[in-house]
Amino acid sequence: DVKVTQSSRYLVKRTGEKVFLECVQDMDHENMFWYRQDPGLGLRLIYFSYDVKMKEKGDIPEGYSVSREKKERFSLILESASTNQTSMYLCASSLGLPYNEQFFGPGTRLTVL
Amino acid sequence: SQQGEEDPQALSIQEGENATMNCSYKTSINNLQWYRQNSGRGLVHLILIRSNEREKHSGRLRVTLDTSKKSSSLLITASRAADTASYFCATDGYGNKLVFGAGTILRVKS
Repeated sequence: DVKVTQSSRYLVKRTGEKVFLECVQDMDHENMFWYRQDPGLGLRLIYFSYDVKMKEKGDIPEGYSVSREKKERFSLILESASTNQTSMYLCASSLGLPYNEQFFGPGTRLTVL
Repeated sequence: SQQGEEDPQALSIQEGENATMNCSYKTSINNLQWYRQNSGRGLVHLILIRSNEREKHSGRLRVTLDTSKKSSSLLITASRAADTASYFCATDGYGNKLVFGAGTILRVKS
């Protein structure tokens, strides 16, 4: 079974803090993704990575950066958290083409106060 | 850039009834996928249908795809309370990324 894990289920941070969200997959997938999910807006792609040290901007990259130093790990960084980044963050991975079946982690619900 | 849009936004049915959700999209696709999300959890892949397929089954799920109308439907037969979840369609019409719709919230009452 593919397993995608995220470092925290719930996280509360203060405005201006630097926030790290970690994602690890155990199936040697090339592609990894970070989405945020807000009510009524569905999932929006923040960044994705198709190989180690490679990254591409998604639809809403502003205020975020990513790091992929190892194939199994993809980190999302909020350089200076703001209240409008309060959201559910979902990590996913896929094998082969980026639009193949994606496997999701359980999500991190981030609240920025 | 919302590629897929689900309809209805919400659906409430009795256990044992069938549930049908629809998805419309805008551009040509390679495949269309359906995912389920239980409350507060990650998404789970249900089924993938390729652009050259018209219908696909998986257990109680039946998916159809009409590329001429740029639409798909997901049918859940003999629904159960455990089917209560949000359902999303996803397409690859914009480059090499999956784009998700806003989802249909299904509530199955027992």
